[in-house]
Amino acid sequence: DAGITQSPRHKVTETGTPVTLRCHQTENHRYMYWYRQDPGHGLRLIHYSYGVKDTDKGEVSDGYSVSRSKTEDFLLTLESATSSQTSVYFCAMRPTGGNGYTFGSGTRLTVV
Amino acid sequence: DAKTTQPNSMESNEEEPVHLPCNHSTISGTDYIHWYRQLPSQGPEYVIHGLTSNVNNRMASLAIAEDRKSSTLILHRATLRDAAVYYCILRDDYNFNKFYFGSGTKLNVKP
Repeated sequence: DAGITQSPRHKVTETGTPVTLRCHQTENHRYMYWYRQDPGHGLRLIHYSYGVKDTDKGEVSDGYSVSRSKTEDFLLTLESATSSQTSVYFCAMRPTGGNGYTFGSGTRLTVV
Repeated sequence: DAKTTQPNSMESNEEEPVHLPCNHSTISGTDYIHWYRQLPSQGPEYVIHGLTSNVNNRMASLAIAEDRKSSTLILHRATLRDAAVYYCILRDDYNFNKFYFGSGTKLNVKP
């Protein structure tokens, strides 16, 4: 639906382990984004990409890295997961020159 | 980055109009006003956006104050499916990838 999918949908992991979340789009959009959402808060931008191998930091990038080796895939990696990274993670995409973001359904990550 | 202020929550009756306010007193000339909504357990979805003039689409209308320091999202006939968190966001046309959400307004629609 809407050409953007996130995997996995749910994940439980232990503190200190690496975790990678995947965002996949089928629209050939140039721009992709990773956000996190915590209870009672709006979404906060982690990282974004403006093309293959082109990425930049958002407002809460510490502890996260991203990679984009293909247009369709944008990966978010937590190098060493901490409990403070327990959150719902949303991926989004936007076409060049377009204003509307399309969001995925989210990945619920729990770090125990 | 310019900030927005929205009420934490609002309530409406089904089939009545809803006016959701947003204050953005520090808006700059290159900031577009965007509205998104987030239904329970879903990602946000685009509603509408504008720069200076009022805008209408199939989902809603956006009324922008003449001085652009505030705006109002108008749902003409609220339905139960409109119950969601509504976010008012300013997007700088020069830093258009820095798209920051605030806390939004939780709209409750009563049958």
